Amino acid sequence: DAGVIQSPRHEVTEMGQEVTLRCKPISGHDYLFWYRQTMMRGLELLIYFNNNVPIDDSGMPEDRFSAKMPNASFSTLKIQPSEPRDSAVYFCASSAGLAGGETQYFGPGTRLLVL
Amino acid sequence: AQSVTQPDIHITVSEGASLELRCNYSYGATPYLFWYVQSPGQGLQLLLKYFSGDTLVQGIKGFEAEFKRSQSSFNLRKPSVHWSDAAEYFCAVGRTGRRALTFGSGTRLQVQP
Repeated sequence: DAGVIQSPRHEVTEMGQEVTLRCKPISGHDYLFWYRQTMMRGLELLIYFNNNVPIDDSGMPEDRFSAKMPNASFSTLKIQPSEPRDSAVYFCASSAGLAGGETQYFGPGTRLLVL
Repeated sequence: AQSVTQPDIHITVSEGASLELRCNYSYGATPYLFWYVQSPGQGLQLLLKYFSGDTLVQGIKGFEAEFKRSQSSFNLRKPSVHWSDAAEYFCAVGRTGRRALTFGSGTRLQVQP
């Protein structure tokens, strides 16, 4: 399997622009997670989906952030409008199973810089 | 809510020396515990995990960790560190009913020749 795929790997944009991050989970995985990593806050969960349905979006910073999962093989995280404080590395991860304790497999991340 | 503390932000060890990275968690029931490693510019890779059974867990790359319920700890160990082990290490906790993980702040490991 190719693993979790994220695109783009790097994104530089100007404040106020819309940014869309993309993720393809591992085939067969029914959970998908979006995390953000910054120096100040570390690695924090933004939102996660189960079977394409958002389960917990309490980590989404504000209304400028939105996430969708239109099908089992694709998810987007959108920031509109972007701000410099959104600069971070955004990770997508996926996992499978119902028992709990399943391994989350992480993508390589998207490094976002908002100028 | 669960939480994870990694008290050491940065550790430097000599190549060939032993290593122990500390992790303490806060959670009322038996947690699921994980150690991930992140090399520069890369995503996170699972080293090992614990969710039941033997409290000493073996992982990849020669790492092991021991779950100690009485101390709420899940420390990561390696008997002999290699230069390629230089990376950032994250401890994480999960719990039944919530699939998302809570991560510690990470420990950056530097290996001296």
